[in-house]
Amino acid sequence: GENVEQHPSTLSVQEGDSAVIKCTYSDSASNYFPWYKQELGKRPQLIIDIRSNVGEKKDQRIAVTLNKTAKHFSLHITETQPEDSAVYFCAPGRGGGNKLTFGTGTQLKVEL
Amino acid sequence: GAVVSQHPSWVICKSGTSVKIECRSLDFQATTMFWYRQFPKQSLMLMATSNEGSKATYEQGVEKDKFLINHASLTLSTLTVTSAHPEDSSFYICSAGRTGSSGNTIYFGEGSWLTVV
Repeated sequence: GENVEQHPSTLSVQEGDSAVIKCTYSDSASNYFPWYKQELGKRPQLIIDIRSNVGEKKDQRIAVTLNKTAKHFSLHITETQPEDSAVYFCAPGRGGGNKLTFGTGTQLKVEL
Repeated sequence: GAVVSQHPSWVICKSGTSVKIECRSLDFQATTMFWYRQFPKQSLMLMATSNEGSKATYEQGVEKDKFLINHASLTLSTLTVTSAHPEDSSFYICSAGRTGSSGNTIYFGEGSWLTVV
């Protein structure tokens, strides 16, 4: 099955700094690459996604970059704020994209 | 917008009993739904794919006789944890995809916390 890993597992940044989380996957058939933010006890919330025909996508402070050849994609958060503190998961999917394999997760802490 | 809802949000049951969790797509039809389990401080692990009108497809290592899945209608999938034990205590969450004009969107339910005592 798909093997999905994230690095780092924990990340602590100062407010205003940038944060980057990398996701590596093994299934070359993956064609949907989302990032989710999950707060404790709540459902995952989609924050940005990209499909395999695009290399980069940006939405305000959040961006995702994809390298299909190397099988990794990264989440970039600029101007971090305390409310960005949460656990972030990548979850590549294939086919219609509904079936996701979640990564190992990254705990992001934004300190004042 | 499209919503996926789960019930109950919290359930406590005694060891050896069975618990049913419902996942509903409120304003769209879902021929396929997915069930995940998440232990504290861990990732979401796919348990099974629920298929409307046919048998569920279970991931490797998930006992199909213990985690019964029924998808009898296009808007409802149920997960029954049979003969629950304390190690089954976890956060269970479902998802369903909806295809619209802007492409496919995946919706997650609110999740259900199961505590087996």
